[in-house]
Amino acid sequence: GAGVSQSPRYKVAKRGQDVALRCDPISGHVSLFWYQQALGQGPEFLTYFQNEAQLDKSGLPSDRFFAERPEGSVSTLKIQRTQQEDSAVYLCASSYYYEQYFGPGTRLTVT
Amino acid sequence: AQRVTQPEKLLSVFKGAPVELKCNYSYSGSPELFWYVQYSRQRLQLLLRHISRESIKGFTADLNKGETSFHLKKPFAQEEDSAMYYCALTFTGGGNKLTFGTGTQLKVEL
Repeated sequence: GAGVSQSPRYKVAKRGQDVALRCDPISGHVSLFWYQQALGQGPEFLTYFQNEAQLDKSGLPSDRFFAERPEGSVSTLKIQRTQQEDSAVYLCASSYYYEQYFGPGTRLTVT
Repeated sequence: AQRVTQPEKLLSVFKGAPVELKCNYSYSGSPELFWYVQYSRQRLQLLLRHISRESIKGFTADLNKGETSFHLKKPFAQEEDSAMYYCALTFTGGGNKLTFGTGTQLKVEL
């Protein structure tokens, strides 16, 4: 079946713009995770949903970052007033048990 | 707080040579350890999990709690093993969120 999909794959934003990144998890996967991967680094946890409930948002770097999963399926990560330090690959992963299945990522470049 | 350290950014070996990718962790409790791999132009995927004690694609990893290590090993490297390897952990009460190391790029040369 289809894996985790993310859109857009690439996004260029001017500093100060708002962006929205979408994640379509594998059907039936209860858990959904967002990670941020800066160049040359490993992925870093941002936030976690179980169905529609956001159970952990301890990794969100500032209040400019907001995530939602209103119907327990598709999730959106929104970044307001983007800054250069937000430039990174944003990875979404979903899981039913322990194994996380990753999407291809969205590469965000803030100019 | 939990932390994963992968000391080598790049590891280059010849085909047929043994491979060892190092991973050390710090966590006061009992974590669960994983190796994830990313092949060129592919997405990040699970390679193996310490609890499973499996050998996947010839790779094995043993959790050494005394040394807080989870090194990934393969006796004979193949060209198709060239990839980025990430060690990661989860912990009880962490909701299965992964803490990753910075990754090691393995390059297998002919």
